[in-house]
Amino acid sequence: AQSVTQLDSQVPVFEEAPVELRCNYSSSVSVYLFWYVQYPNQGLQLLLKYLSGSTLVKGINGFEAEFNKSQTSFHLRKPSVHISDTAEYFCAVSDLGQGAQKLVFGQGTRLTINP
Amino acid sequence: GAVVSQHPSWVICKSGTSVKIECRSLDFQATTMFWYRQFPKQSLMLMATSNEGSKATYEQGVEKDKFLINHASLTLSTLTVTSAHPEDSSFYICSADRGPLETQYFGPGTRLLVL
Repeated sequence: AQSVTQLDSQVPVFEEAPVELRCNYSSSVSVYLFWYVQYPNQGLQLLLKYLSGSTLVKGINGFEAEFNKSQTSFHLRKPSVHISDTAEYFCAVSDLGQGAQKLVFGQGTRLTINP
Repeated sequence: GAVVSQHPSWVICKSGTSVKIECRSLDFQATTMFWYRQFPKQSLMLMATSNEGSKATYEQGVEKDKFLINHASLTLSTLTVTSAHPEDSSFYICSADRGPLETQYFGPGTRLLVL
């Protein structure tokens, strides 16, 4: 079974500063990794995903994440944040088995951007 | 493309009544649909996975007689919360994918309040 740990429940950052949201996973098999963003009272929107290939993945809204297999991490970064990035961010993992792709989510990190 | 809708977005009901939530994939045929539940300030918990024309697969601890899932077509799945009680109040989110190993696309969610 997989599990995901997001190490920070809340991250306050000033506008235009860089940010890193941390995610570690545990799995006995190879996995796919995802970052989703959730704005208040809305569903989830995919930011980026790692399936295979380059360990540095670029997503929407200027976000990127790096897959580190040895450290079982998939941290999300953005070099300069904007007020509109204020949201809840979820890291998720899915195994590479056939069939329906069940997602296991981390606890979420609330990113607050201060002016 | 890949839009998933949910209806209603908000529902308030009396204890003991049943509530039906619809999840539709608007511009693609969904091989699999997923239902999640999210409590305030918490992560998403997978409730069940459904495929068109077959019975849903429920996660451990989810009462299948309480949460009835019907996947009548490749674009529609419904979740019925039967005999709802205040503890069923939550944010329910569905997602859909195009096939195995495909990205899940999430609906905007339905907030249920049981009085």
